[in-house]
Amino acid sequence: GAVVSQHPSWVICKSGTSVKIECRSLDFQATTMFWYRQFPKQSLMLMATSNEGSKATYEQGVEKDKFLINHASLTLSTLTVTSAHPEDSSFYICSATGPYGYEQYFGPGTRLTVT
Amino acid sequence: AQTVTQSQPEMSVQEAETVTLSCTYDTSENNYYLFWYKQPPSRQMILVIRQEAYKQQNATENRFSVNFQKAAKSFSLKISDSQLGDTAMYFCAFMRGGGTSYGKLTFGQGTILTVHP
Repeated sequence: GAVVSQHPSWVICKSGTSVKIECRSLDFQATTMFWYRQFPKQSLMLMATSNEGSKATYEQGVEKDKFLINHASLTLSTLTVTSAHPEDSSFYICSATGPYGYEQYFGPGTRLTVT
Repeated sequence: AQTVTQSQPEMSVQEAETVTLSCTYDTSENNYYLFWYKQPPSRQMILVIRQEAYKQQNATENRFSVNFQKAAKSFSLKISDSQLGDTAMYFCAFMRGGGTSYGKLTFGQGTILTVHP
């Protein structure tokens, strides 16, 4: 149990276009999901907290208008990278909070390459 | 704000030997959780072990155990009988025990562990 999926696993897009990444909790409901960004051989950097039915909370320094987060249901959060640029190329990981709160279940990640 | 520090960027160990990864953290909280996560080359984050701050007993999970020193704010991971499959990047992480930040993880810089045959 407690599986989180991400789609797509790898996406290549052209500079200036937008790309949407989905994060789904497959067998449990998650009122809270988190989005992280990770560069090669570096740590995970929290971008935002996604709460079902309310606006996302962004970490300091993260552009809200560039990284749009929507948590429309208890099993789905989406991250849309708008007007993507090569510097947005990175590995994006989501996690979903389990019923006890302290469990975080991670998706397999999405590799974004902007050309 | 909480900080987590892993001072060993890379470590290596021979198969079947024991290795210890270090982690220190800084917080003014009294209620919190500490975690070790493993990220193999697939990049899937895998929970290795969890420690509740209110528990004095060190957590263990098979070959993995921690040395939790609350006063010193130290949380090291010991891997016994290392296996080739343990090769991965290991992250120490902190989570507040409640409040609006509940569920939010603060990660250390990571330690790349290589197990040699």
